Amino acid sequence: KAGVTQTPRYLIKTRGQQVTLSCSPISGHRSVSWYQQTPGQGLQFLFEYFSETQRNKGNFPGRFSGRQFSNSRSEMNVSTLELGDSALYLCASSLDGPNQPQHFGDGTRLSIL
Amino acid sequence: GIQVEQSPPDLILQEGANSTLRCNFSDSVNNLQWFHQNPWGQLINLFYIPSGTKQNGRLSATTVATERYSLLYISSSQTTDSGVYFCAGRRGGQNFVFGPGTRLSVLP
Repeated sequence: KAGVTQTPRYLIKTRGQQVTLSCSPISGHRSVSWYQQTPGQGLQFLFEYFSETQRNKGNFPGRFSGRQFSNSRSEMNVSTLELGDSALYLCASSLDGPNQPQHFGDGTRLSIL
Repeated sequence: GIQVEQSPPDLILQEGANSTLRCNFSDSVNNLQWFHQNPWGQLINLFYIPSGTKQNGRLSATTVATERYSLLYISSSQTTDSGVYFCAGRRGGQNFVFGPGTRLSVLP
């Protein structure tokens, strides 16, 4: 069974641009969560989607948004990029239910110049 | 939301040594995982362990849910064990919260 797939693996953008990251969950997983990892703030929760609905949202500005499609694939978008958005963005998928383990993709490393 | 503490923050071992990493939660959780992040940034599932004890090769984990802590044991450490170890917990339908991690360096 294929794991969680994130694309692209690396991305370089400049301030003010926008970016879209993609995540394909493990087959059969309908819950997808996104996290931002920076050296200073650690791993921080962005949002969680289930059946195309946002179920939980972290404490990030409105520039960060996401969505989930009917096939459970998810995208996250960051608009008006700032230098501080440089980070590793990780996606995780799980079966439904709060007692299910999360499985992570390899991440997208975003660098803002 | 819950708060997660991990100790120690950094650990340096000689190859072959044993170690214990600890994770404390501010409130009870019904979902708890341990991860290893390798130098390439990949987060590898080690254990899903909301309670009890599990073992996988040289690694084992114990969670005492009533005391709100979990321990990860690494025996006969190898250089490939180096990296950052995270625990993460979830309470009810809330989002997962990660600890700050323990950075492990195993020297040859």
